[in-house]
Amino acid sequence: AQSVTQPDIHITVSEGASLELRCNYSYGATPYLFWYVQSPGQGLQLLLKYFSGDTLVQGIKGFEAEFKRSQSSFNLRKPSVHWSDAAEYFCAVGAGNTPLVFGKGTRLSVIA
Amino acid sequence: NAGVTQTPKFRVLKTGQSMTLLCAQDMNHEYMYWYRQDPGMGLRLIHYSVGEGTTAKGEVPDGYNVSRLKKQNFLLGLESAAPSQTSVYFCASRGTGLAGMYNEQFFGPGTRLTVL
Repeated sequence: AQSVTQPDIHITVSEGASLELRCNYSYGATPYLFWYVQSPGQGLQLLLKYFSGDTLVQGIKGFEAEFKRSQSSFNLRKPSVHWSDAAEYFCAVGAGNTPLVFGKGTRLSVIA
Repeated sequence: NAGVTQTPKFRVLKTGQSMTLLCAQDMNHEYMYWYRQDPGMGLRLIHYSVGEGTTAKGEVPDGYNVSRLKKQNFLLGLESAAPSQTSVYFCASRGTGLAGMYNEQFFGPGTRLTVL
């Protein structure tokens, strides 16, 4: 069965510092991978997605993610974090007609 | 386009009461989903639908029923609410064709339900 692991429950970074959020997946077929962001009290917004081709994908708000098949990972990165990036981040996997499977999320706090 | 909307935004129930959550989408999407979100648990799929008149169970279906009488609406019902159903409920939809092939799901703003 497919699964997604986000090893870090909570991460705190300083504003202006770089960020990497980890995501590992288990999926039998070639997966489609997604990162969503949820601001407090809001719904989920798609940050970026990977289907095929270039393993480094660019998303909104300056985020990028790299697909590494050999490590079953899809880590999210941002070179310089802004206070407005404080939110919860979810990695998800799916393919074909199957519903997405989500990780448990990583909460990001940004300090001055 | 409004995208995916959910009604109501907040609700408080007493144990044993019933209620229905409404999800509506104006993107002509075939697929619709109901998730619940609990602290530390991420999003868990309750039920989903692959088209008008169809429904299927997800990961945590017990205590919930759903109906998809119209393509644009997906209803989630709680027949006898329990405190364990206190949660934030999210609806999502997905299209077919190119958009559906890539499996991107669009989410509503959520319904915060408290069962006392």
